[in-house]
Amino acid sequence: EPEVTQTPSHQVTQMGQEVILRCVPISNHLYFYWYRQILGQKVEFLVSFYNNEISEKSEIFDDQFSVERPDGSNFTLKIRSTKLEDSAMYFCASRTAGTTQYFGPGTRLLVL
Amino acid sequence: AQSVTQPDIHITVSEGASLELRCNYSYGATPYLFWYVQSPGQGLQLLLKYFSGDTLVQGIKGFEAEFKRSQSSFNLRKPSVHWSDAAEYFCAVGAYNNDMRFGAGTRLTVKP
Repeated sequence: EPEVTQTPSHQVTQMGQEVILRCVPISNHLYFYWYRQILGQKVEFLVSFYNNEISEKSEIFDDQFSVERPDGSNFTLKIRSTKLEDSAMYFCASRTAGTTQYFGPGTRLLVL
Repeated sequence: AQSVTQPDIHITVSEGASLELRCNYSYGATPYLFWYVQSPGQGLQLLLKYFSGDTLVQGIKGFEAEFKRSQSSFNLRKPSVHWSDAAEYFCAVGAYNNDMRFGAGTRLTVKP
């Protein structure tokens, strides 16, 4: 069965550094999402992406965040200057025209 | 805007006992409802979903959920819990062409 994959599985970075989290959605999916889960808290929506542009974003998704689909397979989340509070698990998801989103395994980001 | 409430932060049940996890949602139209399970440090696994039709939906691992429009609820049930069911459970609501909103989660502990 096709899966959403994410790399790296874990990333440790210094505060103020830029990080790029990578996702490979399922190949025929057209809608892409990033979610965040701070340790012990609920999963929070960050941003949705369709037709090469952001469809919707939450208040969490400020100017420090950006998303890109640089080629036909990858979907990336960039954090320009990481803060301690960006430490979280980041989930990528994708879907077709139906509403079931398939989630990746997540990238655990630790900002020191 | 859609929202999800999971009233129980933590539930403890004995192995072999029945389980019901509560979920209430708020959404202006017909919702699409989901239950996900997350083991510690792991990603999200879809247990079941409701789009339309039969209000009692069957999922994986012996779970089922019932959609009750009059109560705005989508409670998850399992007749006999196994120790391996210990995890965090998230209810989520979505809509066509829209992102998902997750509840805060219910942590399930299973006593031997």
